[in-house]
Amino acid sequence: DQQVKQNSPSLSVQEGRISILNCDYTNSMFDYFLWYKKYPAEGPTFLISISSIKDKNEDGRFTVFLNKSAKHLSLHIVPSQPGDSAVYFCAAIGVIIQGAQKLVFGQGTRLTINP
Amino acid sequence: EAQVTQNPRYLITVTGKKLTVTCSQNMNHEYMSWYRQDPGLGLRQIYYSMNVEVTDKGDVPEGYKVSRKEKRNFPLILESPSPNQTSLYFCASSPSIRGRSTDTQYFGPGTRLTVL
Repeated sequence: DQQVKQNSPSLSVQEGRISILNCDYTNSMFDYFLWYKKYPAEGPTFLISISSIKDKNEDGRFTVFLNKSAKHLSLHIVPSQPGDSAVYFCAAIGVIIQGAQKLVFGQGTRLTINP
Repeated sequence: EAQVTQNPRYLITVTGKKLTVTCSQNMNHEYMSWYRQDPGLGLRQIYYSMNVEVTDKGDVPEGYKVSRKEKRNFPLILESPSPNQTSLYFCASSPSIRGRSTDTQYFGPGTRLTVL
């Protein structure tokens, strides 16, 4: 039961162009969403997040858009740079039992930026 | 330097031989968690701990044990490893799971485990 889905295992983009990574979720109880970036041989690192009360959050070259009615979020990177080549994980948080939150990850999308 | 450390980074073992992967954080975080990463499945939570002596199952706890005797350490124990536990394992910590601070969840560098 994959509650957070990234349907594109890989994406290749020309340097300088826009990269768009997509993520869908099924659980309407999720109320906070995050993107993590992972380089080979390293752990994931936090990139950007968005609360369900917003539809957009921007941080430099990175913008996350949230469409609650479609249960869809996307990460835009513009302009794309070679250092952006990595695996990107979408994640969602929802309240579970005893008030604890749980982070649920998607499968990841491998982004390759071509020079 | 704030960090989460895991040891070993790489391990090849045989079926049934008990092993422990250690995890330690130096940020005084309350919340710690173990994940495994498998192709096409992303990161799946194995166990988590909200504080010392408080642990609970994640999505894929079968075949694993954890303990949280001290705030900084959260070892992952495989009592009788099997080949389907071959995976990349990540430990993570964050200041609080009840507040909105999980965007600052820090991950360790990963442990690649192969069970023959």
